[in-house]
Amino acid sequence: AQSVAQPEDQVNVAEGNPLTVKCTYSVSGNPYLFWYVQYPNRGLQFLLKYITGDNLVKGSYGFEAEFNKSQTSFHLKKPSALVSDSALYFCAVRPNTGNQFYFGTGTSLTVIP
Amino acid sequence: GAGVSQTPSNKVTEKGKYVELRCDPISGHTALYWYRQSLGQGPEFLIYFQGTGAADDSGLPNDRFFAVRPEGSVSTLKIQRTERGDSAVYLCASSPNEGSYNEQFFGPGTRLTVL
Repeated sequence: AQSVAQPEDQVNVAEGNPLTVKCTYSVSGNPYLFWYVQYPNRGLQFLLKYITGDNLVKGSYGFEAEFNKSQTSFHLKKPSALVSDSALYFCAVRPNTGNQFYFGTGTSLTVIP
Repeated sequence: GAGVSQTPSNKVTEKGKYVELRCDPISGHTALYWYRQSLGQGPEFLIYFQGTGAADDSGLPNDRFFAVRPEGSVSTLKIQRTERGDSAVYLCASSPNEGSYNEQFFGPGTRLTVL
């Protein structure tokens, strides 16, 4: 079965410190990988994606993510957290066949001033 | 430009009633998705449209759920004989074409509460 895991429900980090939000997946083939962010009372917003090529992808608002094929992971990172980064983050995976996207359960990030 | 819109933003209904949820995708987007998001969970795929046709409806939980997109733009998710377990936020997303690597643009969702 296809699945996406975000092992941490909650991540707290001090402003200015680096942050990591973890994602691992179990999907057949070579999937496409995405990160979305959800602010309160707002729809999910696209942050970045990995399709092919360089394992380190850069996205919106200074976020980046590293694809690790051997560990089937796609962790989201940012070198220096901002209070405004506080939100709910979702990892999503789409197998390269079929039409379904599989989402993780989300990680709530709180950046402490 | 205008994003994906969904109406109503909130819907409260009684068990057994019929509801319709509407999605207006971004103009020109041919791909449209419906998801259901329960509290504390990620979005769960329901159905995917490419143009007017339902290309993949494998996520619909049972035959009480149905969705249409007659003109390839606006879509309506229809739920018959609602049950309390149908209570969730229903999300709609669109993307420019059927490329599986394209990101989706999400609407704000419709919060459905079945009493």
